[in-house]
Amino acid sequence: AQSVAQPEDQVNVAEGNPLTVKCTYSVSGNPYLFWYVQYPNRGLQFLLKYITGDNLVKGSYGFEAEFNKSQTSFHLKKPSALVSDSALYFCAVRPRNSNQAGTALIFGKGTTLSVSS
Amino acid sequence: NAGVMQNPRHLVRRRGQEARLRCSPMKGHSHVYWYRQLPEEGLKFMVYLQKENIIDESGMPKERFSAEFPKEGPSILRIQQVVRGDSAAYFCASSPGLAGVYNEQFFGPGTRLTVL
Repeated sequence: AQSVAQPEDQVNVAEGNPLTVKCTYSVSGNPYLFWYVQYPNRGLQFLLKYITGDNLVKGSYGFEAEFNKSQTSFHLKKPSALVSDSALYFCAVRPRNSNQAGTALIFGKGTTLSVSS
Repeated sequence: NAGVMQNPRHLVRRRGQEARLRCSPMKGHSHVYWYRQLPEEGLKFMVYLQKENIIDESGMPKERFSAEFPKEGPSILRIQQVVRGDSAAYFCASSPGLAGVYNEQFFGPGTRLTVL
């Protein structure tokens, strides 16, 4: 079965320190990869996506993610965390071999990021 | 351009009642997706619709759940005879009617359903 794993339920970092939120996937082929962020009582906001090309993808709010094909990973990173980055982060994939436009996303369970001042 | 809109934001129902959740996609978007988020879990796909058509309902329970996206008006997710296990946050997302890989989905704020 196709799945997305976020091995850490929670990540704690101090403001100003680098952060990493891990994501690995088990999907046939080379899927499209996404990161979303969810603030309390809000919907998901798109952060970034990997389609093809450079393995390092830059997104909103200073976030970036690195695609590693051999490790089937797509870890989210930020060089310097802010308290306002504290939220729930979801990794998601969409199978590349789908023949339908608009096929749904497969989400991980989410990782809560807590940035302390 | 207003984002994806969902209403109500919070819905309380007693067991056996019906719940109707509404989603208005972003302007110009003709693809709508419904997801369910159970406590401490990620979002699970339920159904994907285009105007007047259900494209993929593989994630939707076979009984009590139905969805529509009429030619005019919002998409509706309907849950009949709700049970406590239906309590969850239901998110709607929309995307432009473009084929191919650039299928960024825009999410609404969600409807939090509580079944008493």
